[in-house]
Order: sequence, then structure tokens, then C-alpha cells
Amino acid sequence: QKEVEQNSGPLSVPEGAIASLNCTYSDRGSQSFFWYRQYSGKSPELIMFIYSNGDKEDGRFTAQLNKASQYVSLLIRDSQPSDSATYLCAVKPNQAGTALIFGKGTTLSVSS
Amino acid sequence: DTEVTQTPKHLVMGMTNKKSLKCEQHMGHRAMYWYKQKAKKPPELMFVYSYEKLSINESVPSRFSPECPNSSLLNLHLHALQPEDSALYLCASSPRDGYSYEQYFGPGTRLTVT
Repeated sequence: QKEVEQNSGPLSVPEGAIASLNCTYSDRGSQSFFWYRQYSGKSPELIMFIYSNGDKEDGRFTAQLNKASQYVSLLIRDSQPSDSATYLCAVKPNQAGTALIFGKGTTLSVSS
Repeated sequence: DTEVTQTPKHLVMGMTNKKSLKCEQHMGHRAMYWYKQKAKKPPELMFVYSYEKLSINESVPSRFSPECPNSSLLNLHLHALQPEDSALYLCASSPRDGYSYEQYFGPGTRLTVT
């Protein structure tokens, strides 16, 4: 059974701090990794994707991938109250005919 | 532009009704998906269409019937639903169905079965 694990939170950080969200996955052959942000009552929004080991930066967001440790993280710098949402980690197994596997999500709360 | 549209936004239906959910994308994406999401849970995959052919059916009850009339449109036909089918129904699309692709979600249809 392929799994994606996330700490459900809530993760609480003050405004301006760095929020660190973590995700581990069980399928060692997985190739593609995605972070979605979902506000309450809304649909998931793709904010980052990463395919290679290392860091990928986009504005205040940095995705980090370590395939050896089967670990992917999302850092949010200068956190804002508008970043308060549930963050879903999704992994594409390295197997034809399979779809994304989602973690259960981490709820982030940024206080002003 | 990464827009997927869904109609209606909200739907209330009785257990004997027949209704349809619609999804459209004009990004030239060749894979389209239906998900169901309950409160405080991750999206749960229902169906995948790849190049207009059904490629994944996650053992969804037959009261849900998908249809892909063309590469831009995806429908989900609903019949004889149960109250536990009330959920947010999400459509998504991606450039292709392969090992690495970005999947974009529509705004969803909030379905209530009475």
C-alpha cells in the first residue's frame, strides 16, 4: 500500500516567521511531488511541484526533495495570515496507470 | 492560463433524481479527473480519463457514471444517490497522464443529497 504521510497539525506560526511543512512517502520509486494549498470550502490550488533532488524556490515558497530519505518539504518564508490553509502533499508513484496519492494535509495557522 | 471550470457550483438533489456535473478546460490537457472530497479529508480519486478514454475507475458505485464527450469536456452523471454521497466534487486536468505532470483543479461542485 503506497502511502503519503503528513502531520495533521495545526501548525501555528507568527506572522513573518518561516513555516515548515513536511511529508514522507513510502514508494521509493516515486518521481513527482506536488504541494497544494486548500482554503476552507475551496478547491486545492497547485502551488509547487518538484521532480529532482534539492531545492526549488518560487517567491516565498521553497520545496525541498530528498529521495534517499523519501522526504519532501515546503517552506513558506515571511508567513502571512493569508497563508492560513490546509497544505496537501501529493506524490505520483513510478508506475503506469496510477494516479496521485494525497497525504491527509497539514493545517497551517498564521497569527498576526 | 490554468483554468478548469465546473458547473453548477452548488447542487441539491433528492435520492430519486438524475443530475449531471460538468467540467471544462481549454488548456489542451489530455487527462481529466473526477475526485470526491469530504470535509477535512484529502481528495479521493474516482475516475481518470486519458486521451478521452477511461483509464482508471476506482471501484466507484454505478450510481456515478462518467462521460468524456471530447478532450475539453468531462461530465459526471448522478442517479439514485445516497445522503452519504454529499460532498465536494472536484474536476481536475493535467497536460498528460504520465510519470510527471501537474494537475489543476476546478472550483468544485458542492453536492447535497437529501
